[in-house]
Amino acid sequence: DAKTTQPPSMDCAEGRAANLPCNHSTISGNEYVYWYRQIHSQGPQYIIHGLKNNETNEMASLIITEDRKSSTLILPHATLRDTAVYYCIGHGSARQLTFGSGTQLTVLP
Amino acid sequence: NAGVTQTPKFQVLKTGQSMTLQCAQDMNHEYMSWYRQDPGMGLRLIHYSVGAGITDQGEVPNGYNVSRSTTEDFPLRLLSAAPSQTSVYFCASSRTGGASYGYTFGSGTRLTVV
Repeated sequence: DAKTTQPPSMDCAEGRAANLPCNHSTISGNEYVYWYRQIHSQGPQYIIHGLKNNETNEMASLIITEDRKSSTLILPHATLRDTAVYYCIGHGSARQLTFGSGTQLTVLP
Repeated sequence: NAGVTQTPKFQVLKTGQSMTLQCAQDMNHEYMSWYRQDPGMGLRLIHYSVGAGITDQGEVPNGYNVSRSTTEDFPLRLLSAAPSQTSVYFCASSRTGGASYGYTFGSGTRLTVV
């Protein structure tokens, strides 16, 4: 699966949009981009995934560049409960998820 | 619909003791797996299963055994606990384990080996 690169930490004001970037320049054509988050040592929580097209669900939006080398997770109205470590993962044929260091998002009041 | 249930939530073992971490899912998922997470690190795969009777090793399998006799249950056995196995253990399940479906994680078992 593709190696991903994320900034180690970001801050966001409560109520504002949080935009979390991810670089995955080595992603192959059959690999999906997945986002998970982990709130304070709880189990990781699935957020969203996509292959080529932009995706939106009740939690977030995922914007994937046309060349698929990077993506952005958007939390439209961040709350204090969105403070977590966010993981961007390239997932293809392997029967596993490879977790990197992720981005620590801190939502500030 | 409980999702993925892990028991116990906390456990303290003495070096050399054995124990089994339980994981059960009620979503009829074919794929189940065990990860461990050490302080300040990402999750690492221990073992996984793509269906009843089928298991395979992940990145860090040494010191752990698994079996999958039913679709619902995937227990993780520590045969002789060592301090290096102090960690948080997460069980995850997925419809297939492949890229089309997300994984559902349990809330974790926090294990300390003294």
